Amino acid sequence: QQPVQSPQAVILREGEDAVINCSSSKALYSVHWYRQKHGEAPVFLMILLKGGEQKGHEKISASFNEKKQQSSLYLTASQLSYSGTYFCGTERDTGNQFYFGTGTSLTVIP
Amino acid sequence: NAGVTQTPKFRVLKTGQSMTLLCAQDMNHEYMYWYRQDPGMGLRLIHYSVGEGTTAKGEVPDGYNVSRLKKQNFLLGLESAAPSQTSVYFCASSKPTGRSYEQYFGPGTRLTVT
Repeated sequence: QQPVQSPQAVILREGEDAVINCSSSKALYSVHWYRQKHGEAPVFLMILLKGGEQKGHEKISASFNEKKQQSSLYLTASQLSYSGTYFCGTERDTGNQFYFGTGTSLTVIP
Repeated sequence: NAGVTQTPKFRVLKTGQSMTLLCAQDMNHEYMYWYRQDPGMGLRLIHYSVGEGTTAKGEVPDGYNVSRLKKQNFLLGLESAAPSQTSVYFCASSKPTGRSYEQYFGPGTRLTVT
């Protein structure tokens, strides 16, 4: 039930781009993205709904392929503040249970 | 607004002891959730509530009970703590707009069971 994220970890230099992927074996209604810094609570970044509605974040974008049950988070021109663990969360097309992925650790170095 | 608060922040229990974690939110949110976070496992849903007086099981409910007697509070109980329940517990709340909702998380409670 838990979505699969890849990669598990990535290290970037400032200014580089990164893509984090999230995939599910079940039909999805929505995909959420959160970022968690070490020792802190997760913070909402964005949500993508079936049918195309998207609530975004200023410098981070995402896509949702409903047919493949996949979502990708795009971080462009990374900043030091982007460091943290990124989680996708998925809501199935039927029912309202919510599952988080295992996370992707992203480290941005100068 | 304080947002989502959790009490206590840290706790050490002995095996077999019981305790209650309190989550409170002042945003008038309908939905509330309890998650546990373990290294390499991400966040796993224990129980959730879609309104006052209602609760439902999540992904890993065994060994836990919950109550939502007031809209602003969601309590998580451990009746007989086990070392496997050592974890960081997060509470969250949300106010759905249609099927769209953001979850707001509390700061977490770090629980150690010895």
